[in-house]
Amino acid sequence: AQSVTQLDSQVPVFEEAPVELRCNYSSSVSVYLFWYVQYPNQGLQLLLKYLSGSTLVESINGFEAEFNKSQTSFHLRKPSVHISDTAEYFCAVSDPPYGGATNKLIFGTGTLLAVQP
Amino acid sequence: DTEVTQTPKHLVMGMTNKKSLKCEQHMGHRAMYWYKQKAKKPPELMFVYSYEKLSINESVPSRFSPECPNSSLLNLHLHALQPEDSALYLCASSQGTSGYEQYFGPGTRLTVT
Repeated sequence: AQSVTQLDSQVPVFEEAPVELRCNYSSSVSVYLFWYVQYPNQGLQLLLKYLSGSTLVESINGFEAEFNKSQTSFHLRKPSVHISDTAEYFCAVSDPPYGGATNKLIFGTGTLLAVQP
Repeated sequence: DTEVTQTPKHLVMGMTNKKSLKCEQHMGHRAMYWYKQKAKKPPELMFVYSYEKLSINESVPSRFSPECPNSSLLNLHLHALQPEDSALYLCASSQGTSGYEQYFGPGTRLTVT
């Protein structure tokens, strides 16, 4: 079964500094990978996804993540963070579709990005 | 439009009450989900509906009863809940049940007194 590890429960960073949120998944032949963001008292919003193709995926608000198959990682990065980026970030993995099975979205434990002025 | 709506936003209910949570999407998605999220934890999957049929029940207690009246609507009926059931209940939908991203609603904050 798939599993996801987010080793950092909280990452404090100053505004305009770069940040990397780490995500590792258990090895598999192929996987689909996602990053979701949850602002306080809100639902989850899809930030970006890797299904296939280019290993570097970007979001519209400056975040990017790189799929690294050899290291089974999908770390999230942003070169310069803003106060408004303060939120909980969840990495998630899913198996690709095989035979019409229902594949669950497996979440990591989340990383709180705390941006300080 | 990638919006999933949920009502109500907040709900306080006693242990003997019966209430329902509602979820709606108009993206033509054929899979819908209920999750439960406790504070500072990731969402936990409760139920999955695929083409309006229940495909996954994660051993959820019978005091939670899901219903999918049509492809756009998903309900969660609540009865005789316990205080430990207090949580944020999230609905999500996706184009299919495998290999597709899920879109989440804003959630219903449930408090059981």
